[in-house]
Amino acid sequence: GENVEQHPSTLSVQEGDSAVIKCTYSDSASNYFPWYKQELGKRPQLIIDIRSNVGEKKDQRIAVTLNKTAKHFSLHITETQPEDSAVYFCAASNTNAGNMLTFGGGTRLMVKP
Amino acid sequence: EPEVTQTPSHQVTQMGQEVILRCVPISNHLYFYWYRQILGQKVEFLVSFYNNEISEKSEIFDDQFSVERPDGSNFTLKIRSTKLEDSAMYFCASISFIGINNEQFFGPGTRLTVL
Repeated sequence: GENVEQHPSTLSVQEGDSAVIKCTYSDSASNYFPWYKQELGKRPQLIIDIRSNVGEKKDQRIAVTLNKTAKHFSLHITETQPEDSAVYFCAASNTNAGNMLTFGGGTRLMVKP
Repeated sequence: EPEVTQTPSHQVTQMGQEVILRCVPISNHLYFYWYRQILGQKVEFLVSFYNNEISEKSEIFDDQFSVERPDGSNFTLKIRSTKLEDSAMYFCASISFIGINNEQFFGPGTRLTVL
């Protein structure tokens, strides 16, 4: 089955700096890669996703890049703000096989004001 | 905006007891999922459900677990005989159609505490 590794497990940045979180996956059949933000005690919320036919996607301060050959994808947050502090999870799925998500271990991002 | 809802928000039970966790997916969604998250750990897939039957299940989803869509709106997860290690947050998720838009919408979760 799919295995997703995520690094780092914790990340502390100053407000205004950029944050980068990296994930690798094992199953070459995976073709959908969402990123979720989870605040303490809350549900995971989708912040951005990318499909395997795209190398990069950007939405305001958030961008995701995908390297299918190397089987890794990354989340980039620019101009971080204290409200970006949360746990971020990457995930991978195969939309041709039920779309169940395999999550990475999570990154606790702390943005210091 | 439509949301996935789950009840109860917190369930406390004794080891060996049966629990039923309830979810109401978004009304026009066709695919349903249960995930669990042990405190401080990652979210793990349990089971997916489509067209009134299980489509995929993980190794975690053993004979103690079952799912049902009893009335066309609710989607339930039953744990027959709870164990201490079943203590976790259980999330339900749904998706309208796999292919064009693959976003899974998560419910707020049910925190299950097994004593």
